[in-house]
Amino acid sequence: QVQLVQSGAEVKRPGASVNISCKASGYTFTTYYIYWVRQAPGQGLEWMGIINPSGGSASYAQKFQGRVTMTRDTSTSTVYMELSSLTSEDTALYYCVRGSSAYPWGQGTLVTVSS
Amino acid sequence: DIVMTQTPLSSPVTLGQPASISCRSSQSLVHSDGNTYLNWLQQRPGQPPRLLIYKISNRFSGVPDRFSGSGAGTDFTLKISRVEAEDVGVYYCMQATQYPFTFGGGTKVEIK
Repeated sequence: QVQLVQSGAEVKRPGASVNISCKASGYTFTTYYIYWVRQAPGQGLEWMGIINPSGGSASYAQKFQGRVTMTRDTSTSTVYMELSSLTSEDTALYYCVRGSSAYPWGQGTLVTVSS
Repeated sequence: DIVMTQTPLSSPVTLGQPASISCRSSQSLVHSDGNTYLNWLQQRPGQPPRLLIYKISNRFSGVPDRFSGSGAGTDFTLKISRVEAEDVGVYYCMQATQYPFTFGGGTKVEIK
């Protein structure tokens, strides 16, 4: 079945970077864009950016420009999202999502930023 | 950016009664390819969001037929014909017509 499986929870110090992976299976990896959405505790959904697994090009939300990098590895059908210069406001659940129809969602990766 | 405005914020509903959620976008969601990429998502407590409805009115596989979506242009509606206990959660509309994709603020459906 089509699924996205994300890497496990992370705890980071302020100023550090985090790299989250999202492994796709059950479909042809290069045929659907994948994007990242985050959800701070008790808050709504926030779109971070999108990557085209075929060519590797990415587009980022202005809020995260300069701080986020999305890459992919076609040999393992995996997309990566790196977020740098972390602050406590980056504490959130991070989800990868496939395609304009928003299916499926990864299970989420909790990133906690704390000194 | 396209702003998605959902109402109401909260919807207390009696079991078996209908519920309706409105979503309005700040500009038309009709894509240049002719499609309108308006999705509805359900997020149950402690779970990731899941797709209910895509492209305004297409019910995703396995979604009960008590859920329906309608609308066009900038105004959209999600209806639950008869609310069941498992429908408790937060519902989001989402536009995927234009970058950045954006979400409504969410509507919490709870049982009265």
